[in-house]
Amino acid sequence: GQNIDQPTEMTATEGAIVQINCTYQTSGFNGLFWYQQHAGEAPTFLSYNVLDGLEEKGRFSSFLSRSKGYSYLLLKELQMKDSASYLCAVRPILTGGGNKLTFGTGTQLKVEL
Amino acid sequence: NAGVTQTPKFQVLKTGQSMTLQCAQDMNHEYMSWYRQDPGMGLRLIHYSVGAGITDQGEVPNGYNVSRSTTEDFPLRLLSAAPSQTSVYFCASSLGSGTLAKNIQYFGAGTRLSVL
Repeated sequence: GQNIDQPTEMTATEGAIVQINCTYQTSGFNGLFWYQQHAGEAPTFLSYNVLDGLEEKGRFSSFLSRSKGYSYLLLKELQMKDSASYLCAVRPILTGGGNKLTFGTGTQLKVEL
Repeated sequence: NAGVTQTPKFQVLKTGQSMTLQCAQDMNHEYMSWYRQDPGMGLRLIHYSVGAGITDQGEVPNGYNVSRSTTEDFPLRLLSAAPSQTSVYFCASSLGSGTLAKNIQYFGAGTRLSVL
């Protein structure tokens, strides 16, 4: 099975940098996804990692270490609109199950002035 | 582009009633999924489909049925609603298998269901 851990809440200041961690224990691994979800809205895709290292997309970067079962999402130059829940999701090794993702419970980020 | 469309947005049911949550996508995606989201529980997979005519159970399938007669539509049926099924339901679709890019899931806006 899959077990995914994320901090429940984080608070950061506008303009700062914040790192949201995700650790996972899985029976198989074939990629890790990050989604953003604003209150009352649908999750939207941010990034994915399949190999170790850092993937950068503008103000957002995601890092993966498969040997440590660890990922983080780095948000730079925080803006008020970044206040949202950030979901970490793991994709298991394909066994014909296609797009089955296991999601963490999400980290609620609050950006303050 | 409409993307993934879910209807209704809100629904209140009485215990024992049945209903169908509708989901349609116009992106010609092969894979479609239904999740429920509850406070402190994260998104949990109910049922999924890898193509028309093919469905399978996810993590929490009890009390729900699905069918996939076309590529576009993936309805979720609640057979006899229970208060434990009060939740927010999301439908998602992705292009297919292979590279991770093809597995990016696109979510509908959700259906907020209350069972009294």
